[in-house]
Amino acid sequence: DVKVTQSSRYLVKRTGEKVFLECVQDMDHENMFWYRQDPGLGLRLIYFSYDVKMKEKGDIPEGYSVSREKKERFSLILESASTNQTSMYLCASSLQGQIRAEAFFGQGTRLTVV
Amino acid sequence: QKEVEQNSGPLSVPEGAIASLNCTYSDRGSQSFFWYRQYSGKSPELIMFIYSNGDKEDGRFTAQLNKASQYVSLLIRDSQPSDSATYLCAVKRFSGGYNKLIFGAGTRLAVHP
Repeated sequence: DVKVTQSSRYLVKRTGEKVFLECVQDMDHENMFWYRQDPGLGLRLIYFSYDVKMKEKGDIPEGYSVSREKKERFSLILESASTNQTSMYLCASSLQGQIRAEAFFGQGTRLTVV
Repeated sequence: QKEVEQNSGPLSVPEGAIASLNCTYSDRGSQSFFWYRQYSGKSPELIMFIYSNGDKEDGRFTAQLNKASQYVSLLIRDSQPSDSATYLCAVKRFSGGYNKLIFGAGTRLAVHP
């Protein structure tokens, strides 16, 4: 049974805090993704990684960074949390190089910045 | 113009009817197309995948792809209240050496008894 696990389901942080969101997958997938989801805007790609220590910016990388030290783990870092980063964050993983390459999602982390 | 466009809805259909969900995309290099269902408060789950022109059927679901028109749709036959959810269209394209999966904003479907 494939699994993508995010470290927290709900998180409340203060403005200016450094926030870490962790994601682990057990499917040996090359690709991992971080999306944020806001009403009316759908899923927007923040960063993705296609290999250990490799990362690429998505559509909205500003205010975020990522780390991938091991194949199974992909971390999203909010360097200095702001209220406009209040959102649902979804991690996903997929295989590389296959036409199907569906993304499997974690359960999501609802982050509130106060 | 967004790369993947969907009507946000809500699309309201009576139980037992056919629900038709539409999606257009802008990049002709897009390779494959996915429909995800997302219940409120849950993460998306894949329900259909299509990569060649034509129809693909799986149970009550049919995905239709027309690459010339850059259009993909999802038909849900015999709609049930349990189908009420947001349906996300996603497009995979190969860019810069990597697969990128781009999502539309989703269409909210409400099936009423």
